[in-house]
Amino acid sequence: QKEVEQDPGPLSVPEGAIVSLNCTYSNSAFQYFMWYRQYSRKGPELLMYTYSSGNKEDGRFTAQVDKSSKYISLFIRDSQPSDSATYLCAKPHTGGFKTIFGAGTRLFVKA
Amino acid sequence: NAGVTQTPKFQVLKTGQSMTLQCAQDMNHNSMYWYRQDPGMGLRLIYYSASEGTTDKGEVPNGYNVSRLNKREFSLRLESAAPSQTSVYFCASSEAPPTSRGYEQYFGPGTRLTVT
Repeated sequence: QKEVEQDPGPLSVPEGAIVSLNCTYSNSAFQYFMWYRQYSRKGPELLMYTYSSGNKEDGRFTAQVDKSSKYISLFIRDSQPSDSATYLCAKPHTGGFKTIFGAGTRLFVKA
Repeated sequence: NAGVTQTPKFQVLKTGQSMTLQCAQDMNHNSMYWYRQDPGMGLRLIYYSASEGTTDKGEVPNGYNVSRLNKREFSLRLESAAPSQTSVYFCASSEAPPTSRGYEQYFGPGTRLTVT
């Protein structure tokens, strides 16, 4: 089992929809979670980070962690065509040094 | 402040040729990384350098070598390119793990490599 698993999609939604992107993780060490956004033909960029359980909000984006089910989510409110990108979840590797990335979910927001 | 820069942006090699991918960062980060990204495979770590003077293998090191030239620069070398090395290569840097901020990586724009 991979340390971080993510549905690759693609996910297609109309403009203005609420988007839910999800990952599961297998190892509970290092409760620090990150979401990266990658536009086509660009490098990933850090979008948000969050610790342990609970929610963290940044504008239209909310990151949520459910420790009991080992589930992390990214919600996008009022989605825009400019949100069309691949979203990768990430957390520290069990060994504590490297970062493990999910495979990424490709999102299309249609105008 | 350019962040992480990579050269070249594109490269086509014939099987057996060698090349070096260059990476530099201006954020005074201690740690640097090389990844390859293939469709459906996500980001796979090739090599990393925890600090200047050290390098370690990642998940897929075979066929590659690296050099941490100084704190700013980290190069990736393909000694004898193979078609299986056709991929997009990303360099990244971070502060030093295991502090929380040390896991936040900053990526370059990537090098698209085709080996024929």
